[in-house]
Formats: sequence, structure tokens, C-alpha cells
Amino acid sequence: EDQVTQSPEALRLQEGESSSLNCSYTVSGLRGLFWYRQDPGKGPEFLFTLYSAGEEKEKERLKATLTKKESFLHITAPKPEDSATYLCAVSGAGSYQLTFGKGTKLSVIP
Amino acid sequence: EAQVTQNPRYLITVTGKKLTVTCSQNMNHEYMSWYRQDPGLGLRQIYYSMNVEVTDKGDVPEGYKVSRKEKRNFPLILESPSPNQTSLYFCASSFAGHGGANVLTFGAGSRLTVL
Repeated sequence: EDQVTQSPEALRLQEGESSSLNCSYTVSGLRGLFWYRQDPGKGPEFLFTLYSAGEEKEKERLKATLTKKESFLHITAPKPEDSATYLCAVSGAGSYQLTFGKGTKLSVIP
Repeated sequence: EAQVTQNPRYLITVTGKKLTVTCSQNMNHEYMSWYRQDPGLGLRQIYYSMNVEVTDKGDVPEGYKVSRKEKRNFPLILESPSPNQTSLYFCASSFAGHGGANVLTFGAGSRLTVL
């Protein structure tokens, strides 16, 4: 059974204070690891897909990295508009399901 | 605009009164899925469909039904709703590349309250 654990559950940062969110996973044959952003009362929005260990993707102040056991979402010099819940999900070989973690709620204080 | 449309967005109903939440996508996606999101439990998959007339159970299918008669539509049916089905529901779709789920596009969500 695929499992995804995200930490911390919640994170408060001052504007400009860089940090990282963690996603640990267990899966039989990783097909892909996905990061989504979810704003309150809205559906998740796709950020990144990572397919193999060592892969990195960047978008504005966000950078996602992947190892064989975990993924990190690095946030550099965050702004208040980066406040959201960040979800990690995995898709394993032979499965059509996407298993989501419970998310990390990020709050960036001006 | 490429999107997944869910209706209704908000619904308050009573125990046992059958209801349907509709989901439609305009991206010609093969794969469609329903999730529920509850505080402390995250997103959990209810049912998914790889294509027309092909559906399968997710992690929490009890009390729900689905159908996929057309490629663009994937309604979620609650035959006899109960209070434990009070939740925020999301429909999502994607191309079925790589043999399975790909990048999902989510709807805006349907908040259901069962009294």
C-alpha cells in the first residue's frame, strides 16, 4: 500500500524567511511524485511532477527535489501570497490511484 | 477555458434523500476521479474511471456510486446519504498517460452537508 507523510503539518514563516517542506513516501515502483497547492475553499492546483531520484523542478520561489524516499519543496524568500496548503502525492507502478499526503499548511506573515 | 465543472457547489440535504453531484470536463481526458477531503484525513479517493464504461473503487467507496456513460461526464451518486458523508468533494481528470494517473486537473469542489 502506497503511503505519503508530509511534515510539518503547519509552518509559519516571516516574509523572506526561506524553508523546506518534507514529503516522505513508500511506494512500489514510483511512477511519479506530484506537488499541488491548495488555497482555502478551492481545488488543488498542480505545481510539479518528479519522476526519478535526483530530479529537480523550479517555479518562481519554489523548487522541488526528489530522492528515493522523500521529496522536498523548498521555498525561497516567501511572500504572503505563497500562503496555502501544499499537497504531495505519489503514483505507483501498476496503480491508477494517486495517494495524497495530508498536506502542510504554510502561512507567510508580512 | 480548460476546466472541470462540478455542481452543485454547496448542498445541504437530509439523511436518506438521494442526490447526485455532477462533474464535467472539457479537455477530452480519459481518466476521471472523485475525492473527498476531510480535516485531518486529507484527500481520499472514492471512485475512478479510466474511460467510458470503465470504473473502479478507490479507498473509500462505501455509500457512493458512479457511472461513466460519456467521456466528459462522471457523476457521483449518493443513494441514501448519511451524516458521515458530510464532506468537501472534488472531481478531477487527466489524460491516462504512463499507464495510469497523470497530472490531475481539479474542480472547484462541492461542499455537502447531510443532516
